[in-house]
Amino acid sequence: SQQGEEDPQALSIQEGENATMNCSYKTSINNLQWYRQNSGRGLVHLILIRSNEREKHSGRLRVTLDTSKKSSSLLITASRAADTASYFCATDANQAGTALIFGKGTTLSVSS
Amino acid sequence: GAVVSQHPSRVICKSGTSVKIECRSLDFQATTMFWYRQFPKKSLMLMATSNEGSKATYEQGVEKDKFLINHASLTLSTLTVTSAHPEDSSFYICSARKTGNYGYTFGSGTRLTVV
Repeated sequence: SQQGEEDPQALSIQEGENATMNCSYKTSINNLQWYRQNSGRGLVHLILIRSNEREKHSGRLRVTLDTSKKSSSLLITASRAADTASYFCATDANQAGTALIFGKGTTLSVSS
Repeated sequence: GAVVSQHPSRVICKSGTSVKIECRSLDFQATTMFWYRQFPKKSLMLMATSNEGSKATYEQGVEKDKFLINHASLTLSTLTVTSAHPEDSSFYICSARKTGNYGYTFGSGTRLTVV
């Protein structure tokens, strides 16, 4: 099962530009997490935002959460070629025994 | 920190054979582990929830007789792909949730290729 959509599905930008990815979900959540995945590799946890938070920063990452719209955004500022990867949001219902449910992902390509 | 070890990282098998993938929580106990499958250029799809000492819970559309899950201890869950076919070729990732904690830790994934 998947929560919903991420947009855009693919994003190509130049180094130094900002990249914004959006995620929508369907059910009630306790928190929402963003992950990065390089091609053919495992997941790297980027940031977690709780349902009672609206915005969170970590380095060049800025995440927002709007629970009324059931949506989140991930902003990567001053992008680098090394940011090229797929980015997924994942929602956590925080009920015992429940899994993270992933969105469809955005493939980001940063060219130098 | 919590570490999950997943083996093998890559496996190639012949059509009709079975393959076992292990997922171990190295420094914590996990009553619940999760198995995901990821096709190329797609997202992670939850296959099943593995509960220590009890039967796994499978997502709709996932064949329990084909994807056997065993969670015999608080630190080990295994996924066996039985009678594998080329369409089972995929990236399989496990995740463990620390008992009493709501954080998730992911294994590094297993690339299965069935020829």
